[in-house]
Amino acid sequence: AQTVTQSQPEMSVQEAETVTLSCTYDTSESDYYLFWYKQPPSRQMILVIRQEAYKQQNATENRFSVNFQKAAKSFSLKISDSQLGDAAMYFCAYRATGGAQKLVFGQGTRLTINP
Amino acid sequence: DTEVTQTPKHLVMGMTNKKSLKCEQHMGHRAMYWYKQKAKKPPELMFVYSYEKLSINESVPSRFSPECPNSSLLNLHLHALQPEDSALYLCASSQDLQGNTEAFFGQGTRLTVV
Repeated sequence: AQTVTQSQPEMSVQEAETVTLSCTYDTSESDYYLFWYKQPPSRQMILVIRQEAYKQQNATENRFSVNFQKAAKSFSLKISDSQLGDAAMYFCAYRATGGAQKLVFGQGTRLTINP
Repeated sequence: DTEVTQTPKHLVMGMTNKKSLKCEQHMGHRAMYWYKQKAKKPPELMFVYSYEKLSINESVPSRFSPECPNSSLLNLHLHALQPEDSALYLCASSQDLQGNTEAFFGQGTRLTVV
């Protein structure tokens, strides 16, 4: 079974600085998708960024980028120029290709932005 | 419209009550999901519907009964729940079950069983 591990229960960063959230996963599949979701106090899970395992190029969405290391099964999220609105719980998630779209989530990292 | 709408936002129910959670989307998505999220934990998949048919039941107790009356609606019927069933129930939808499709989540129903 696939597992996702986020080793940082909590992180904090000063506004405008850069922070990196860690995620590792375990799978025997060669093709899959990885996601970072954000869950603010409003409770809604919001997709931040996704990465297809077959793509070597790291995904980027504005201030959010990932460092995808397939051999190491590592998928970290870098947030640049942190803003107060980035404060939330961040979940790393894995999904196998094909079949049911079952997302396997990590335990989450709570990110605090200090003004 | 990229919204998944869940009602009610909050629900308090007794252990002998029967209640229903509702989820609606108008994005033309053919896959819909129920997740359960306990406090300070990640969401856990409960059910998956594809084209209005139940595709996955993650060994959920029968006191939770899902229903998908049409492609836009997903219900979760609750009966004889236990206090440990108190949680945030999240609904999600995606275009289908195949390929690189994004799952859109609702804001959830915060359920308290007393």
